[in-house]
Amino acid sequence: DTEVTQTPKHLVMGMTNKKSLKCEQHMGHRAMYWYKQKAKKPPELMFVYSYEKLSINESVPSRFSPECPNSSLLNLHLHALQPEDSALYLCASSQESGSEQYFGPGTRLTVT
Amino acid sequence: AQSVSQHNHHVILSEAASLELGCNYSYGGTVNLFWYVQYPGQHLQLLLKYFSGDPLVKGIKGFEAEFIKSKFSFNLRKPSVQWSDTAEYFCALRDYGQNFVFGPGTRLSVLP
Repeated sequence: DTEVTQTPKHLVMGMTNKKSLKCEQHMGHRAMYWYKQKAKKPPELMFVYSYEKLSINESVPSRFSPECPNSSLLNLHLHALQPEDSALYLCASSQESGSEQYFGPGTRLTVT
Repeated sequence: AQSVSQHNHHVILSEAASLELGCNYSYGGTVNLFWYVQYPGQHLQLLLKYFSGDPLVKGIKGFEAEFIKSKFSFNLRKPSVQWSDTAEYFCALRDYGQNFVFGPGTRLSVLP
């Protein structure tokens, strides 16, 4: 299995909602990542988990809360988002932190 | 802070033309370098990577890249492009602080 899967594919939420994005990989990778990608822009790193511990948090607002329940799963909990948070949220994994990353298809998030 | 620049925002070529996409980075230490491709409607896919050793690296789909340390460059090349190479191409680097940075991307349009 060489895939990173993400659910849901699309999500529309209001500014007062609470929702979660999910990411899963079964490649035995020990590092997982969340990125945000706006249209026609490169992905921007948000969080890095290495061996299930948060190792990098790129000054992301607290309305985004990551969670790594085990080595195969990565969640991103969303609360009180703003319309400018609308974007494609990408999950990636790598064998170790720093090796090449494998990306999922993303969740297209729209905040209304 | 490290950064990645890509020379061209949008490149338009005819099929069978040769391709070279520029990538320069600013970082004084050891880096790992990557080229990713994002086909329309698809997720990011690794084309090739440089970690150490031979500075000329070959990737998938006939792509190659050359790492020139003195020029802080990692240009992507393909001798003959096809219509199916139409995509967004991202150069990226990873430093030894585990930071992973993408360049702004180059959109390649190949005319049939």
